[in-house]
Amino acid sequence: NAGVTQTPKFQVLKTGQSMTLQCAQDMNHEYMSWYRQDPGMGLRLIHYSVGAGITDQGEVPNGYNVSRSTTEDFPLRLLSAAPSQTSVYFCASSYIGATEAFFGQGTRLTVV
Amino acid sequence: GIQVEQSPPDLILQEGANSTLRCNFSDSVNNLQWFHQNPWGQLINLFYIPSGTKQNGRLSATTVATERYSLLYISSSQTTDSGVYFCAVERDSYNTDKLIFGTGTRLQVFP
Repeated sequence: NAGVTQTPKFQVLKTGQSMTLQCAQDMNHEYMSWYRQDPGMGLRLIHYSVGAGITDQGEVPNGYNVSRSTTEDFPLRLLSAAPSQTSVYFCASSYIGATEAFFGQGTRLTVV
Repeated sequence: GIQVEQSPPDLILQEGANSTLRCNFSDSVNNLQWFHQNPWGQLINLFYIPSGTKQNGRLSATTVATERYSLLYISSSQTTDSGVYFCAVERDSYNTDKLIFGTGTRLQVFP
């Protein structure tokens, strides 16, 4: 039982490049979400999904796209990376409703 | 949206000391979790505690939902307790499923 798995753990991009951060969970959770964490700050919600085929925007969605074709996977896409997207990204999953959320180990992204 | 405030922002302790971290929130919640982010950046679930009191070893937590606050107690602190402690809440509204984080309390425990 791996829980929430994020890949890669580290990534350096040049401005304007695109990439996809992968997130997979094996707990059959309906709800998945992406957060970013900047120095000295808490986590801020980027996008979330309540099930396959359903996604919605969080607090800071600009510059990011998501899709949810399966229950297990919730990739986060950066179409044209900018230095302002340098951050640590966390993926989380939980059952629908007020239940405990579980987080992946994070992806540290640097855009130069 | 709901506001989550944590205090103190920074805390420095000597090994063996006790501490209390506080989380205030501005609206009714149906979900509250405490996390520890270790020096390697990993987020570790400590407590899922929308109300009441729970204990796990040297750590315990209490949430008083009617007064909109939660407390995390750390007793006999150890150097391995160092890191950032986050409180995260979900507003008490039908199916919002959005965990909102406070800005954290940074704890440093020295031997």
